Amino acid sequence: DAGVTQSPTHLIKTRGQQVTLRCSPISGHKSVSWYQQVLGQGPQFIFQYYEKEERGRGNFPDRFSARQFPNYSSELNVNALLLGDSALYLCASSWTGGSNYGYTFGSGTRLTVV
Amino acid sequence: GDSVTQMEGPVTLSEEAFLTINCTYTATGYPSLFWYVQYPGEGLQLLLKATKADDKGSNKGFEATYRKETTSFHLEKGSVQVSDSAVYFCALTTGANSKLTFGKGITLSVRP
Repeated sequence: DAGVTQSPTHLIKTRGQQVTLRCSPISGHKSVSWYQQVLGQGPQFIFQYYEKEERGRGNFPDRFSARQFPNYSSELNVNALLLGDSALYLCASSWTGGSNYGYTFGSGTRLTVV
Repeated sequence: GDSVTQMEGPVTLSEEAFLTINCTYTATGYPSLFWYVQYPGEGLQLLLKATKADDKGSNKGFEATYRKETTSFHLEKGSVQVSDSAVYFCALTTGANSKLTFGKGITLSVRP
């Protein structure tokens, strides 16, 4: 079975540009969460979606947005990129929205803003 | 708010040494606790979990016990291998707000 897949794996953007990151959850998983991991730090929660509805939002500016599609895949959009947005963006999926059983993470998208 | 505190790193050990990585937490309600591992250039992998007090999670020789009285979830392994070299993250989630809250992580290097 395929795990959580994220695309692209790496990308480089210029300050002020916009970027879209994509995530496909494990088959049957209905919840997708996004995390930002800055080098040397633990991941920080950005968004959670369950059954196509936003269930939670972390302390990130409105430049960050996301959505979940009917097939449960998800996109994370970041507008007006700043140098500080350079990070590894991780997607995690779980069967339910309120999971006490752990999430399965993808390998991430490495975003570099220059 | 919820928080996770991990011991400062990095940690360097010789192969077959005993490993302890400390983790304490602050949370409202009754959290579930996790250890995740991140190998170089990869995403996070769930190593083990515990969902209630006194539960012991175990996997691949690693163990951690959910200690409610000391709000701790220390990770241990009796004999580390070079292949255990990675970054280890302690994390928690509470049912009402199911986001994962992570500690800063600690880098483990195991020498042959």
